[in-house]
Amino acid sequence: LAKTTQPISMDSYEGQEVNITCSHNNIATNDYITWYQQFPSQGPRFIIQGYKTKVTNEVASLFIPADRKSSTLSLPRVSLSDTAVYYCLVGVKAAGNKLTFGGGTRVLVKP
Amino acid sequence: DGGITQSPKYLFRKEGQNVTLSCEQNLNHDAMYWYRQDPGQGLRLIYYSQIVNDFQKGDIAEGYSVSREKKESFPLTVTSAQKNPTAFYLCASRTNPTYNEQFFGPGTRLTVL
Repeated sequence: LAKTTQPISMDSYEGQEVNITCSHNNIATNDYITWYQQFPSQGPRFIIQGYKTKVTNEVASLFIPADRKSSTLSLPRVSLSDTAVYYCLVGVKAAGNKLTFGGGTRVLVKP
Repeated sequence: DGGITQSPKYLFRKEGQNVTLSCEQNLNHDAMYWYRQDPGQGLRLIYYSQIVNDFQKGDIAEGYSVSREKKESFPLTVTSAQKNPTAFYLCASRTNPTYNEQFFGPGTRLTVL
């Protein structure tokens, strides 16, 4: 399984854009990149998934460069409620594949 | 409503006792997972099951056991062999096989006294 590296923590302010970069140098051809959000004492929640270039949904955008060795989760105009831990995962879209959660990035949004 | 339920939310046990954590889903998902999370840490995979009557060890299976007799249910037993069982336990399921989105339950916080 491709290993991922993320910053341990980052601070931001309300209304700002937050960008979290994940490094996955050993990503395989068939691997997809998935991001989850977790609030304290809750299970993680799926945010976004992509393979290459850019993916956008109502919550976030995911930027993946051509070499796919990294990816950046972009949260536009964050609010206090976006304070959470964000996990980057890499794995194939295959039956039974296990996904490995790393340590994640703890994002603190300040007023 | 479709979703995953875990019970109980909080569980206390004496050291040396086995305890079983419940996980039920009505999403019709084939794959189910158990994770452990310690304070300030990420999730670690204990066991996962791709289909009924089949399951595989994850990264930290020692001291745990599971069964998958029904598609909807994937109970986890924390045995007395697990040295540090106090943790937050999360169950998840996933549509099989086309997507990496896992749906998580609310978790069970187990405290061994």
